[in-house]
Amino acid sequence: AQSVTQLGSHVSVSEGALVLLRCNYSSSVPPYLFWYVQYPNQGLQLLLKYTSAATLVKGINGFEAEFKKSETSFHLTKPSAHMSDAAEYFCAVNQAGANSKLTFGKGITLSVRP
Amino acid sequence: DVKVTQSSRYLVKRTGEKVFLECVQDMDHENMFWYRQDPGLGLRLIYFSYDVKMKEKGDIPEGYSVSREKKERFSLILESASTNQTSMYLCASSSYPQEAFFGQGTRLTVV
Repeated sequence: AQSVTQLGSHVSVSEGALVLLRCNYSSSVPPYLFWYVQYPNQGLQLLLKYTSAATLVKGINGFEAEFKKSETSFHLTKPSAHMSDAAEYFCAVNQAGANSKLTFGKGITLSVRP
Repeated sequence: DVKVTQSSRYLVKRTGEKVFLECVQDMDHENMFWYRQDPGLGLRLIYFSYDVKMKEKGDIPEGYSVSREKKERFSLILESASTNQTSMYLCASSSYPQEAFFGQGTRLTVV
């Protein structure tokens, strides 16, 4: 079985500060990993994905994430937060193999202080 | 531009009603999903389908059923709506192993 853990439900940073959102996964087979962002009253939008190529993945809006197999982690970072980054962020895992389901974490709300 | 379209943004239904939530995708994806989103619980998978007429239960299938008669359309059915099914419902589609694309969501209120 696969699962995703996102510790904490809320992170608050100052504008210009580093953003770090943590994600740990469990998977019995090599995983595919995703980060999504959700703005208020909208659906989910893909930020970035890891599908067994480079372990450091760059996404939209200056975000990036690093796949660390030894730590079973896929943490999301951005060097300098912007007010527009305030949103809810979800990590998701899909095990290798067709017909596998996409499993999400509980999400983290990011607030950015001026 | 890829698209997943959910038939309604907002719905209000009465307890005991049969409710249909419709989802259509235009990307020829084989996989389609229905999730429920509640504060503090994230996205929980209700059902998914990996082919026409094929379906698998997700983590919280009780009280729901689904139908996929055509590749592009995936319907979620609440046989007898209850107040604890008040929630945001999100439909998604994907072509394994790529990312899922989401609709805008349907906010369902059962009164």
